[in-house]
Amino acid sequence: ELKVEQNPLFLSMQEGKNYTIYCNYSTTSDRLYWYRQDPGKSLESLFVLLSNGAVKQEGRLMASLDTKARLSTLHITAAVHDLSATYFCAGWRDDKIIFGKGTRLHILP
Amino acid sequence: DGGITQSPKYLFRKEGQNVTLSCEQNLNHDAMYWYRQDPGQGLRLIYYSQIVNDFQKGDIAEGYSVSREKKESFPLTVTSAQKNPTAFYLCASSISAGYTGELFFGEGSRLTVL
Repeated sequence: ELKVEQNPLFLSMQEGKNYTIYCNYSTTSDRLYWYRQDPGKSLESLFVLLSNGAVKQEGRLMASLDTKARLSTLHITAAVHDLSATYFCAGWRDDKIIFGKGTRLHILP
Repeated sequence: DGGITQSPKYLFRKEGQNVTLSCEQNLNHDAMYWYRQDPGQGLRLIYYSQIVNDFQKGDIAEGYSVSREKKESFPLTVTSAQKNPTAFYLCASSISAGYTGELFFGEGSRLTVL
């Protein structure tokens, strides 16, 4: 059974700083996803990582996947207030997409 | 515009009543999913369907039922057997499990039991 764990679960950081959110998963997962959720809203897809070593970047966010370590990271560069949200990673196995508990990111001006 | 429509957005229910949440997509996606989200929690999978007239239980299916009679529709019924149904319910779809599997979500339905 696939389990997905994120850390930290809550992160408060200053604008302009860099930080990384970690996503570990318990068994083989062919794909890894990152989503963003604003308060009271639905989820928005950020990245889909399909292979070992995959790296994708969009603006100040960069996601990577290491399937051997069963680890994905979401790196935030020079954070801005607009990136405040909850970020979820999710793995795929047996036609099911399983989510972590999310990392609530609060960026202070 | 293509997308996923969930209704109602807000729903109040008395204990002992069944309620049905609607999910319709016009993306021509094969797979559809229902998730439950509790405050401060991640998403937990209730049911999913890869093709019409077929669906599978997720991790927390007890007290819920679904149907998939049409490709574009995947309604969720929250029955009186669900002990703690107050939650935010999210419907999602993907092209198919064999593709990237990326999920596209509806806006969600917030159910409150009075």
